[in-house]
Amino acid sequence: ETGVTQSPTHLIKTRGQQVTLRCSSQSGHNTVSWYQQALGQGPQFIFQYYREEENGRGNFPPRFSGLQFPNYSSELNVNALELDDSALYLCASSLGPLNTEAFFGQGTRLTVV
Amino acid sequence: KQEVTQIPAALSVPEGENLVLNCSFTDSAIYNLQWFRQDPGKGLTSLLLIQSSQREQTSGRLNASLDKSSGRSTLYIAASQPGDSATYLCAVRPGSGTYKYIFGTGTRLKVLA
Repeated sequence: ETGVTQSPTHLIKTRGQQVTLRCSSQSGHNTVSWYQQALGQGPQFIFQYYREEENGRGNFPPRFSGLQFPNYSSELNVNALELDDSALYLCASSLGPLNTEAFFGQGTRLTVV
Repeated sequence: KQEVTQIPAALSVPEGENLVLNCSFTDSAIYNLQWFRQDPGKGLTSLLLIQSSQREQTSGRLNASLDKSSGRSTLYIAASQPGDSATYLCAVRPGSGTYKYIFGTGTRLKVLA
């Protein structure tokens, strides 16, 4: 059991709505990364935050945005939800952006109807 | 462009068998490689992290090896148990300055009692 906590665990939204997912990183970890995992696929990198700054971004449109707070917790915001946004969203924290072990939370299952 | 492949996609073995899961990647320039376990609908549990300068890592019944030059990693599970049933994911962190992990699609393992 890692110290990475995500909320909520499940939610259902309607197409066109907006959603905010939250992640509390493991104690002492200053880096948070977000991934999207579609059913039967490996996780895909959305972006990473290091010391409150976006530190890298994957191939996701601008309606996917994020934030990291001074306590290193993080939010993922998705605007104008589409059916294809239905997925498991995973947050990972690490002590540093590059050469350290990543610890994942239990994920948030988002269903868009 | 870095790509990660895991073979086989699914594997079913009797309890007690030793087994090997394979991971291959197309670009040998990596910072590290991490193996994860994922139970259905859950987050990722870190199993082993191998830095690019290392050849192998061991934890309990698990041993992971890394051969950067051939673009391969293997996860060896000794004396498999039904509790080992899960999907095993391999992820590489490219050495090109990007901070993301690139995942394979996983091997779904079932250990029969």
